[in-house]
Amino acid sequence: AQSVTQPDIHITVSEGASLELRCNYSYGATPYLFWYVQSPGQGLQLLLKYFSGDTLVQGIKGFEAEFKRSQSSFNLRKPSVHWSDAAEYFCAVGARGAGSYQLTFGKGTKLSVIP
Amino acid sequence: ETGVTQSPTHLIKTRGQQVTLRCSSQSGHNTVSWYQQALGQGPQFIFQYYREEENGRGNFPPRFSGLQFPNYSSELNVNALELDDSALYLCASSLVGPPYEQYFGPGTRLTVT
Repeated sequence: AQSVTQPDIHITVSEGASLELRCNYSYGATPYLFWYVQSPGQGLQLLLKYFSGDTLVQGIKGFEAEFKRSQSSFNLRKPSVHWSDAAEYFCAVGARGAGSYQLTFGKGTKLSVIP
Repeated sequence: ETGVTQSPTHLIKTRGQQVTLRCSSQSGHNTVSWYQQALGQGPQFIFQYYREEENGRGNFPPRFSGLQFPNYSSELNVNALELDDSALYLCASSLVGPPYEQYFGPGTRLTVT
């Protein structure tokens, strides 16, 4: 069965600093990988996705992520963090289960931004 | 393009009661998935509906059931509510085939007392 590990529960960065959120996955085949962001009390917004091809993918709000098959990782990055980026970030792997395609999420990383 | 909507926003129920949550999928999407997100956790897959039938289920008991309607909207029903059912319930819509990305609604916060 597939699984996702986000090693960092909480990260604090200063506004304008760079950001990297870690994600490791376990899946037997080529994965579909996603990053979602969740503001307090809200649903999930898709930031970016990887299906195939170029291992560096660009997303919305200036985020990017790099797929590294050898490390089973899909880390999220942003060169300069804005205060509005404070939220919880979830990495997910997509896989076909019994008849359906489902997402398996990590436990999330909460990002705090210091002005 | 209309996004995924869910109702109600918040709900308080008593242990043993039954609850129905509703979801309208994004226009053009024919598949609906439901997820449960407990406090401090990532969402967990409950089940998925396509062509008005359940076509996949996560590790949830049968008291969690659902429906999908011809317009692709969906309901999640939970019977015999337990305190541990308190969570944010998220609905996501997608196409049945690739690229499989799912778009989420704002969720329904269920509190069981």
